[in-house]
Amino acid sequence: DADVTQTPRNRITKTGKRIMLECSQTKGHDRMYWYRQDPGLGLRLIYYSFDVKDINKGEISDGYSVSRQAQAKFSLSLESAIPNQTALYFCATSSLGQPQHFGDGTRLSIL
Amino acid sequence: QKEVEQDPGPLSVPEGAIVSLNCTYSNSAFQYFMWYRQYSRKGPELLMYTYSSGNKEDGRFTAQVDKSSKYISLFIRDSQPSDSATYLCACSSTGGGNKLTFGTGTQLKVEL
Repeated sequence: DADVTQTPRNRITKTGKRIMLECSQTKGHDRMYWYRQDPGLGLRLIYYSFDVKDINKGEISDGYSVSRQAQAKFSLSLESAIPNQTALYFCATSSLGQPQHFGDGTRLSIL
Repeated sequence: QKEVEQDPGPLSVPEGAIVSLNCTYSNSAFQYFMWYRQYSRKGPELLMYTYSSGNKEDGRFTAQVDKSSKYISLFIRDSQPSDSATYLCACSSTGGGNKLTFGTGTQLKVEL
């Protein structure tokens, strides 16, 4: 089983819909991250959380929100999806001072 | 200008070749440097993690950091078709467990 699991793996939806992407981990890490990946732009940080009570905005947080339901669970929401939010979304986890480990991503298409 | 620049490729080499992948960065505060490998439809997988300047070797892979010129490299010896992937460099000022700044990735194809 994967250490960092993202659901769904693929999602197609329409403009204006609310969408939630979920991430769970079995690595016991306290830190979790959400990124989006776009061709030519690389990975960009959306939000990150260093523990259950800590949520921080990343480089591109507008239009997104997150919830850290437990140490092992971190979800990303798009309240009202728009086409330019079409991208690959990755969750990552780490512990203090250690490198990040990624899930296999969610491919999100917004029509 | 991006903080981390990486040639997107694609880079095509024959099997067995030595591959050199490179990134430059502009932020002098970066002290931690990582290389990730990403296969199609998969997440980035950590290959190498180094601190400050110097070399680190792991099997066929060598990571090199030159902080004086703000230049990081990944060398792959005896390249194999299974090395075909996108390689991402990443930099951090406070450790890999903190915020990372990524290059855009270099697509590598190793041909038989």
